[in-house]
Amino acid sequence: DAGITQSPRHKVTETGTPVTLRCHQTENHRYMYWYRQDPGHGLRLIHYSYGVKDTDKGEVSDGYSVSRSKTEDFLLTLESATSSQTSVYFCAISSGTVSGNTIYFGEGSWLTVV
Amino acid sequence: KNEVEQSPQNLTAQEGEFITINCSYSVGISALHWLQQHPGGGIVSLFMLSSGKKKHGRLIATINIQEKHSSLHITASHPRDSAVYICAVSGDSNYQLIWGAGTKLIIKP
Repeated sequence: DAGITQSPRHKVTETGTPVTLRCHQTENHRYMYWYRQDPGHGLRLIHYSYGVKDTDKGEVSDGYSVSRSKTEDFLLTLESATSSQTSVYFCAISSGTVSGNTIYFGEGSWLTVV
Repeated sequence: KNEVEQSPQNLTAQEGEFITINCSYSVGISALHWLQQHPGGGIVSLFMLSSGKKKHGRLIATINIQEKHSSLHITASHPRDSAVYICAVSGDSNYQLIWGAGTKLIIKP
């Protein structure tokens, strides 16, 4: 199993509060991703990183920001959580681009915004 | 029409049966990924293919680039194979995958 740890695994928070999810990897992979998974939508890319301090938006980036100050850590922040951000969040990593390399997923973080 | 179509959406079979899940795509790709998601959430990468055929244990994945089609086969299926199987393709992007809707497989003892 790829060494990917997500924290927290479960969180309940109130609307309007900031939330940070952490993804930590021990594989020294260059590429890291944050996805959300919702019924009827499958996996949707929020943000990705192709190196330290190099990040870019995915298809559903509104309301989210990310940071990558070290190779091993990729943080996802909801600046002001809304109920529509209730979801399961998955971190993923790959050694190269997904056009030629296997992608590995973390166990998921269940976020409920009330 | 979705760019990645999986069939069937749901499949129920008896233990021991040979299982085939199909994935068709309409875009040019560099790679196709097959993943497995068990109830409770964990997502596991099974195969990454750019041509031909790969085998791992009882799982076999094939891809036909000309026909834009891939299949995932499970031989001697077992109840622990019950999961959602997801196909995803790389498309034009090096970073974003185009995801199929998944096939929910249930293997009955």
